[in-house]
Amino acid sequence: QSALTQPRSVSGSPGQSVTISCTGTSSDVGGYNYVSWYQQHPGKAPKLMIYDVSKRPSGVPDRFSGSKSGNTASLTISGLQAEDEADYYCCSYAGSYTLVVFGGGTKLTVL
Amino acid sequence: EVQLVESGGVVVQPGGSLRLSCAASGFTFDDYTMHWVRQAPGKGLEWVSLISWDGGSTYYADSVKGRFTISRDNSKNSLYLQMNSLRTEDTALYYCAKDTDREVPDAFDIWGQGTMVTVSS
Repeated sequence: QSALTQPRSVSGSPGQSVTISCTGTSSDVGGYNYVSWYQQHPGKAPKLMIYDVSKRPSGVPDRFSGSKSGNTASLTISGLQAEDEADYYCCSYAGSYTLVVFGGGTKLTVL
Repeated sequence: EVQLVESGGVVVQPGGSLRLSCAASGFTFDDYTMHWVRQAPGKGLEWVSLISWDGGSTYYADSVKGRFTISRDNSKNSLYLQMNSLRTEDTALYYCAKDTDREVPDAFDIWGQGTMVTVSS
């Protein structure tokens, strides 16, 4: 069982928007602004899409956005494209004992 | 080009030992915290360990504490993971990853391609 809870799957049609949630506790997601999101295509290494809750690395389309409310972080992908179909993982700093926790991952299907 | 290249993954028997290496290039290696993250076949990502920019601080997931040791050689731009008392549940693709920060673990902005460790008799 992962420390952060994500839906196992979400889906949407091209052009639509989808949101993936990531629920933790006040000891991780709710306690720090160090939430990040990763995209992983089959057979590939993960790619950083969002860091520090809502910041986008250079080169990541602005269709990807992040937010947080309480103990739940969210990744929103607007204007869905076929190439967005992948697994998405959230991650959070969890304090000086546990350090880092990941979510179990969400499979995004573009219909 | 900024890149991380892992090596050292093999098939090993339960109870055995293994040392993974990660060669970094294209960035100032000793400016950043470095991590090992693993992914069991068909499963999600699991953080394994981190080492601070100067090697002065190391941390481990409970699942590997006491069995794995992370280290780095900044003169060689290299990261290592010594894995002892290996168990079947350690079977995974092991990724080396660069942190965006040098102090607090923040995010992993550069990943290697991974090296596969299989623990099996």
